[in-house]
Amino acid sequence: GDSVTQMEGPVTLSEEAFLTINCTYTATGYPSLFWYVQYPGEGLQLLLKATKADDKGSNKGFEATYRKETTSFHLEKGSVQVSDSAVYFCALSAGGSQGNLIFGKGTKLSVKP
Amino acid sequence: DAGITQSPRHKVTETGTPVTLRCHQTENHRYMYWYRQDPGHGLRLIHYSYGVKDTDKGEVSDGYSVSRSKTEDFLLTLESATSSQTSVYFCAISAFPGQGNSPLHFGNGTRLTVT
Repeated sequence: GDSVTQMEGPVTLSEEAFLTINCTYTATGYPSLFWYVQYPGEGLQLLLKATKADDKGSNKGFEATYRKETTSFHLEKGSVQVSDSAVYFCALSAGGSQGNLIFGKGTKLSVKP
Repeated sequence: DAGITQSPRHKVTETGTPVTLRCHQTENHRYMYWYRQDPGHGLRLIHYSYGVKDTDKGEVSDGYSVSRSKTEDFLLTLESATSSQTSVYFCAISAFPGQGNSPLHFGNGTRLTVT
């Protein structure tokens, strides 16, 4: 079945460092891909999405490109801030009419000043 | 932010007792979902609803039931809570799930501890 694999954390970076969180997927068909962010004590918030191959999603300095040839959707940010400390989830649309998403296990990011 | 309220936010209960979690939305979205979040597992779908009185099972539905008597409310019931159901439960809603590119909007979660 469909699945998402993302790099295990935790990831610890210094402020202004470059961030990459790897995400690969297995899916039949052509799923839409998403990155969600979860701050402590809160629910998940949509960070960005891409709906077809070669699309680039971007938001708040974060970017991810839908690579069909490598079945990947890696999250990147050029200069992280302490406020980016959170758990990041990669997800894909399950297809069909039910609309649910299939999530990776999450990657915890800690940014030190 | 999507208008989603989960209650209670925290709950401690004993093994064998019934527990009901509530999700209330003000967006009038047709689709609603219950997920559980556990370390090392990410989020897993428990049940979902595609309309009033229309529900279906997700990946980890054993031990859970749901009901949706009104568009705005989606209830998750643990008939007889077990320690393995200690988790954080999230409700989500979706506006256009059939399009495949519609994101889910999440509530702030309910932390349930079964002792």
